[in-house]
Amino acid sequence: DSGVTQTPKHLITATGQRVTLRCSPRSGDLSVYWYQQSLDQGLQFLIHYYNGEERAKGNILERFSAQQFPDLHSELNLSSLELGDSALYFCASSFQQGSVEAFFGQGTRLTVV
Amino acid sequence: AQKITQTQPGMFVQEKEAVTLDCTYDTSDPSYGLFWYKQPSSGEMIFLIYQGSYDQQNATEGRYSLNFQKARKSANLVISASQLGDSAMYFCAMREGMGSGANNLFFGTGTRLTVIP
Repeated sequence: DSGVTQTPKHLITATGQRVTLRCSPRSGDLSVYWYQQSLDQGLQFLIHYYNGEERAKGNILERFSAQQFPDLHSELNLSSLELGDSALYFCASSFQQGSVEAFFGQGTRLTVV
Repeated sequence: AQKITQTQPGMFVQEKEAVTLDCTYDTSDPSYGLFWYKQPSSGEMIFLIYQGSYDQQNATEGRYSLNFQKARKSANLVISASQLGDSAMYFCAMREGMGSGANNLFFGTGTRLTVIP
């Protein structure tokens, strides 16, 4: 168990809908990273938050947004969902921005039908 | 250009044998870190081993070792005494600018390792 908790584990929704994925980092970790793993794009970095502030954006679509709350949990919001958004979404956390390792959650498998 | 290249989509190894999974990287940043992760069929990402660009020694963690050849920009993972439970996808990843600012991992496409009894 990495200590990073993601909910829900599975999510099935229809095209055009909006969903929210939640991540609770390891106790004490200030950094939260979101990654998307899809069959055609592989593992891609989406966004990084550190202590509530956005620090870096990767290949994140405008339909997607994220935030990190004062208790350090993070949410990834995906809207106007398309079939191609079906993927495994990972959250990872680390104590510092440049920490050696990032602990990954179990992921949320999103299926858009 | 791809930052991380894994050229072996799939590998087979006999149980108890050693296996090397290849990884090459591309960066102009002198400070970087190289990571290997294991992803079993259940889906979670498990951190295995880390090598910093300034580390003099090759990293080792139990049965895992990282063969770091800086001039060749390669960071191959060596798994010794393979076990059936090692069957999984293995990802090589890199983080540039270690210890500074916002850092994220760039992943390779992965190698699926199958351990044969």
